[in-house]
Amino acid sequence: EVQLVESGGGLVQPGGSLRLSCAASGMTFKNYWMTWVRQAPGKGLEWVANIDLDGSETYYVDSVKGRFTISRDNANNSLFLQMSSLRAEDTAVYYCVRDLGWFDPWGQGTLVTVSS
Amino acid sequence: NFMLTQPHSVSESPGKTVTISCTRSSGSIVTNYVQWYQQRPGGSPTIVIFEHRRRPSGVPDRFSGSIDSSSNSASLTISGLKPEDGADYYCQSSDGDNHVLFGGGTKLTVL
Repeated sequence: EVQLVESGGGLVQPGGSLRLSCAASGMTFKNYWMTWVRQAPGKGLEWVANIDLDGSETYYVDSVKGRFTISRDNANNSLFLQMSSLRAEDTAVYYCVRDLGWFDPWGQGTLVTVSS
Repeated sequence: NFMLTQPHSVSESPGKTVTISCTRSSGSIVTNYVQWYQQRPGGSPTIVIFEHRRRPSGVPDRFSGSIDSSSNSASLTISGLKPEDGADYYCQSSDGDNHVLFGGGTKLTVL
C-alpha cells in the first residue's frame, strides 16, 4: 500500500520559515513526479508546486514563487517544501501527493498556521 | 491561464442521480484531462475519476465522468445516491506547462 506521511507543520510568525517533509513508502519513489497541494481552513484545494523525477524541473503557483522551494531526496524516499517569508494567507493544510497525471494517493496533511 | 468553475452546492435525495459540472473558462476542455476528487468531512481528498471518465479500482460504477465540447465543461455524475456520497467534490486539470488548476469545489448534500 502506498503511503505518504507529511510532517513539519506548526505555528509560525509572519515572515518566518518552515520546512515540510513527506515520507513515501510502498512505491518506487524515484519513478514519480510529486506535488504539494494546500487547503486553507474552510476553503478549496490549491496546487502549490510540483517536481519531476530527479528534481531538475520544478513548478510553482504564482503566489509562492520566490518564497517556497520544492525538493526531493530519492535515496530516502522523501519530498520537501521549504517555505520562507510566510504570510497569513499561507495558513493551510499542506498535502503531499503522488502525481500520476492525477493525484493519488493523498497524505493526511500537515497544518501550517501563520500568525503572530 | 484558465479557470475551472463549479457550482457551489448541489443537493439531491437518496437513490436519485446528480450531476456536477466543471466549466473551463478558456481553451478547450478536451485539451487537458479532467480529474475529480471526493473529500469527505475531516478527510483527505481521494480520486474518483481520472482522464475525463476513467474510474479507479474500488470506486463504484455509480460514479461516472464525461466531457461536453459544446459547453466546454466536464461533468461528474453520481447515480443511486447514498448518504455517504455527501462530500465536497473538486475537478482538476492542468495547462500545458505543468501548472495544475482546481475548481472551487461543490458541496453535495444527500438529503
